Amino acid sequence: AQSVTQLGSHVSVSEGALVLLRCNYSSSVPPYLFWYVQYPNQGLQLLLKYTSAATLVKGINGFEAEFKKSETSFHLTKPSAHMSDAAEYFCAVSVLDPSGNTPLVFGKGTRLSVIA
Amino acid sequence: DTGVSQNPRHKITKRGQNVTFRCDPISEHNRLYWYRQTLGQGPEFLTYFQNEAQLEKSRLLSDRFSAERPKGSFSTLEIQRTEQGDSAMYLCASSLALGLPGTDTQYFGPGTRLTVL
Repeated sequence: AQSVTQLGSHVSVSEGALVLLRCNYSSSVPPYLFWYVQYPNQGLQLLLKYTSAATLVKGINGFEAEFKKSETSFHLTKPSAHMSDAAEYFCAVSVLDPSGNTPLVFGKGTRLSVIA
Repeated sequence: DTGVSQNPRHKITKRGQNVTFRCDPISEHNRLYWYRQTLGQGPEFLTYFQNEAQLEKSRLLSDRFSAERPKGSFSTLEIQRTEQGDSAMYLCASSLALGLPGTDTQYFGPGTRLTVL
């Protein structure tokens, strides 16, 4: 079965500083990996996804993530944090079955705070 | 593309009452998922449909829970005899699953927040 571990339930960075949110996965077959963002009282919005093409994936709002099979990691980064990036971030994994992808398995989330 | 919609957005009920939530997916999407999210946790999978067929149910989905997608379009999730432990955000997502790598991206609705008193 697939699983995801997000290291750090809360990360705090200064505005303009590097954002690094960590995600490690476990899967016995090639995974599909996703990062979602959730703003207060809103649904989840897809930031980016890895689908076995390029290992460096660029997403919306300046975020990117790199798939590292040897480290079973898919960490999310952004060079310069903005106040509007403050939100909850979820890493998720699924795998491909004959009729499509399996349901997502989410990590517990990392709350990002951005300090002015 | 109007996105995934869910109704109601909030529901407060007394323990023992039945509640029903509705999800309207993105129109051309053939898959519809239900997840539950409690405070401080990531969403947990409950069940999903491919068109009108319910393909998988999580062990989290007790006998008090039932989901339908009668015409392969909207879906309902009903909870009978609600308990305080059912208090959570119930999220719906939809996707277009073609059985091809990378095609199945799930788009989430805003959720229905259930409070059981």
